[in-house]
Amino acid sequence: EVQLLESGGGLVQPGGSLRLSCAASGFTFSDYAMSWVRQAPGKGLEWVSGITGSGVSTYYTDSVKGRFTVSRDNSKNTLYLQMNSLRAEDTAVYYCAKDVSSSSSMDVWGQGTTVTVSS
Amino acid sequence: QPVLTQPPSVSGAPGQRVTISCTGSRSNIGAGYDVHWYQQLPGTAPKLLIYGNTNRPSGVPDRFSGSKSGTSASLAITGLQAEDEADYYCQSYDSSLSRVFGGGTKLTVL
Repeated sequence: EVQLLESGGGLVQPGGSLRLSCAASGFTFSDYAMSWVRQAPGKGLEWVSGITGSGVSTYYTDSVKGRFTVSRDNSKNTLYLQMNSLRAEDTAVYYCAKDVSSSSSMDVWGQGTTVTVSS
Repeated sequence: QPVLTQPPSVSGAPGQRVTISCTGSRSNIGAGYDVHWYQQLPGTAPKLLIYGNTNRPSGVPDRFSGSKSGTSASLAITGLQAEDEADYYCQSYDSSLSRVFGGGTKLTVL
């Protein structure tokens, strides 16, 4: 069964850091690009970051550029999101998602991990 | 502010047909990029419903269909059922090298 399992969320003070992990199983992880998508409380979905299967290329939405870093360890089938200089507006449920080959769509989603930025 | 525009809410009675619109611009949908649709049931992760404008993943009922024209796209749901009550999001790709979502549409089954 294809599965994604996020972890690492929690409560952090403004300006703090957090690293999210996403453990993948049931598919050849290195063959697929991956994404992070977040959803603020009561709000819609927002694409945050993406990374190619090899990890060579990374992409970010403007609001997190310079603060967030996406990476992956294909030997561990794990995706990461390092979040620095966190702000209140980063508070959200963070989902990792598997990209569909040759498409900008995402066909497998994790259950999400909650990040709360508050003093 | 979401890049793609969706109506905040739509509603319909069981058995009826509803459509949800998704309007973009020349830098995303109008540039020829595909539109995808997701269904998010309360308290759960999004689920891919339609990809590549019109394609349904395995397991998605044919009551759900997608279309695209110009700078807009639509999701149609026929034979509305109570379990279709959910939030629906459109998504595309933008020339700014990022994926973009609509603000979401809450479907209420009356």
